[in-house]
Amino acid sequence: DAGVIQSPRHEVTEMGQEVTLRCKPISGHNSLFWYRQTMMRGLELLIYFNNNVPIDDSGMPEDRFSAKMPNASFSTLKIQPSEPRDSAVYFCASSLLIAGGRSPLHFGNGTRLTVT
Amino acid sequence: DQQVKQNSPSLSVQEGRISILNCDYTNSMFDYFLWYKKYPAEGPTFLISISSIKDKNEDGRFTVFLNKSAKHLSLHIVPSQPGDSAVYFCAAKLVDTGKLIFGQGTTLQVKP
Repeated sequence: DAGVIQSPRHEVTEMGQEVTLRCKPISGHNSLFWYRQTMMRGLELLIYFNNNVPIDDSGMPEDRFSAKMPNASFSTLKIQPSEPRDSAVYFCASSLLIAGGRSPLHFGNGTRLTVT
Repeated sequence: DQQVKQNSPSLSVQEGRISILNCDYTNSMFDYFLWYKKYPAEGPTFLISISSIKDKNEDGRFTVFLNKSAKHLSLHIVPSQPGDSAVYFCAAKLVDTGKLIFGQGTTLQVKP
């Protein structure tokens, strides 16, 4: 099992540029989560999907952020235009949601985004 | 509004001693609590969990205690080992939506 795969590992971009973060969840998992880690807030949930459908995007900071999950094995988080305050580590996680509950989240290694 | 709080940003403990990491929450709608461990440049990994109907769960050197009346949980590691040095995140699951809310994390350093 390769685990949750995120790319790129590091992204440095200039303010105003578009940034796309990618995630491949664990095969068989039907829930996918995007989190952002900052010193002040810890791990913040941005959005999550069940069976490729966005369930809750209330954590998305503003309209500059968007996420898609076109199929069960791929998701993107896009920031357009990016701003310096978006600099953080972005984590993708997946889990298996069944009738009895949800398995623990499995996280990828994150994408460290720096916006200058 | 931080629903899950870890008020200690860091903790330093001597090898062999007990490490106690604390977590407070404000929402009564959490039905499950979890601890995750994170090493640098890696994603968090699941460590141990506890249901809201229990007050203790033990797994080897790791024990989680839940005090519902105080809305407080803690993670005990005994004996602590240098390999336990990491960031520990407390998390709580909302019973209605299943959302997992994380705290800010506590950096544990276990000195040899």
